Amino acid sequence: GAGVSQSPSNKVTEKGKDVELRCDPISGHTALYWYRQSLGQGLEFLIYFQGNSAPDKSGLPSDRFSAERTGGSVSTLTIQRTQQEDSAVYLCASSMGGLAASKNIQYFGAGTRLSVL
Amino acid sequence: GQNIDQPTEMTATEGAIVQINCTYQTSGFNGLFWYQQHAGEAPTFLSYNVLDGLEEKGRFSSFLSRSKGYSYLLLKELQMKDSASYLCAVRDGDYKLSFGAGTTVTVRA
Repeated sequence: GAGVSQSPSNKVTEKGKDVELRCDPISGHTALYWYRQSLGQGLEFLIYFQGNSAPDKSGLPSDRFSAERTGGSVSTLTIQRTQQEDSAVYLCASSMGGLAASKNIQYFGAGTRLSVL
Repeated sequence: GQNIDQPTEMTATEGAIVQINCTYQTSGFNGLFWYQQHAGEAPTFLSYNVLDGLEEKGRFSSFLSRSKGYSYLLLKELQMKDSASYLCAVRDGDYKLSFGAGTTVTVRA
């Protein structure tokens, strides 16, 4: 597609429920990233995919968080047993991949705003 | 850990110039990026610097001094549509970006 697409744009859930957030990267981008943006704080790195592999999961805050990517394209971030502190905007980005900064500019989706009641 | 600092808020008048400073202390350095984010929208890429000096792109310029761990984004001829949050981010390795908390710029008529 023309840009990074995320769905849903808004999600309201009850504490303890599971949620799935979807990211459709720019066509041809091999690298995909998930970030979390909380009010008044910078974007927090969660996980990085190169193709379908996730060489860096270091930012996932707990084992309730998991992500997968299939076909080198769509990615799903799953949060199990949601807690109120999980409320945030979850942003996905994609890039062409490669080591040079010029090749690795990250393009972001508009995010999913998650509210846990 | 990574430490990236930028002012929380700035206000300027339409037509004026605003300079947003960013200082960083990171374990490595492989480029500094600036993004613009309007409320409720995706961050959009503005510029990146990997070598010292000034990069100019129309009304926006970005400067980097690696020895000082310092960058600034300069917005000239401010327009109302420039009211947004501006995010400073450092790539400290091969791929991951570490972000500052963002600077909210308000442009007044």
